[in-house]
Amino acid sequence: DAGVIQSPRHEVTEMGQEVTLRCKPISGHDYLFWYRQTMMRGLELLIYFNNNVPIDDSGMPEDRFSAKMPNASFSTLKIQPSEPRDSAVYFCASRLAGVEEQYFGPGTRLTVT
Amino acid sequence: AQSVAQPEDQVNVAEGNPLTVKCTYSVSGNPYLFWYVQYPNRGLQFLLKYITGDNLVKGSYGFEAEFNKSQTSFHLKKPSALVSDSALYFCAVRASGYSTLTFGKGTMLLVSP
Repeated sequence: DAGVIQSPRHEVTEMGQEVTLRCKPISGHDYLFWYRQTMMRGLELLIYFNNNVPIDDSGMPEDRFSAKMPNASFSTLKIQPSEPRDSAVYFCASRLAGVEEQYFGPGTRLTVT
Repeated sequence: AQSVAQPEDQVNVAEGNPLTVKCTYSVSGNPYLFWYVQYPNRGLQFLLKYITGDNLVKGSYGFEAEFNKSQTSFHLKKPSALVSDSALYFCAVRASGYSTLTFGKGTMLLVSP
């Protein structure tokens, strides 16, 4: 198994531009999580899905952030418009129902100038 | 509500010496406790978990952790540190009835040769 796949690995964009981060979870996993990691705030949960349905998006910082999971093998996190304070590493993780361990992707390092 | 604290930003230890990385938690009800490790430019990797049973849990790479209910702690330990253990370590907690993990801010472990 290839593990959780995220793309792109690095993204540099200008303030005001739209950014789309992509995630492919491990096949068969029921849960998908989006996290953001910064030095100041550590690792924060943004949103999670169960069977492609968003369950809790209370961690999404504001309306500029949106996430979708159109099918079991693909999810996106979109920021529109992006701001410099969105600069962070964004991780996607997945797990199987009934199994506690989450499996993390390698992350996308986002820099907004 | 659930929270976890890692009181040390950094732990320094010499190779061959025992190491301890501290974690305390706060939850309502029984806790599910986890340790993850993050190497530079990588996603988090699962190390070990406590769900129920024996208070001493053994995990990957020779690490172990001891669950102490009275002190609400779950410290990570290893009898003999390796330089390759140098990484960022995260403690996480999930209360029964929750689906999401709350992570601590992380502790950087530096093992010197």
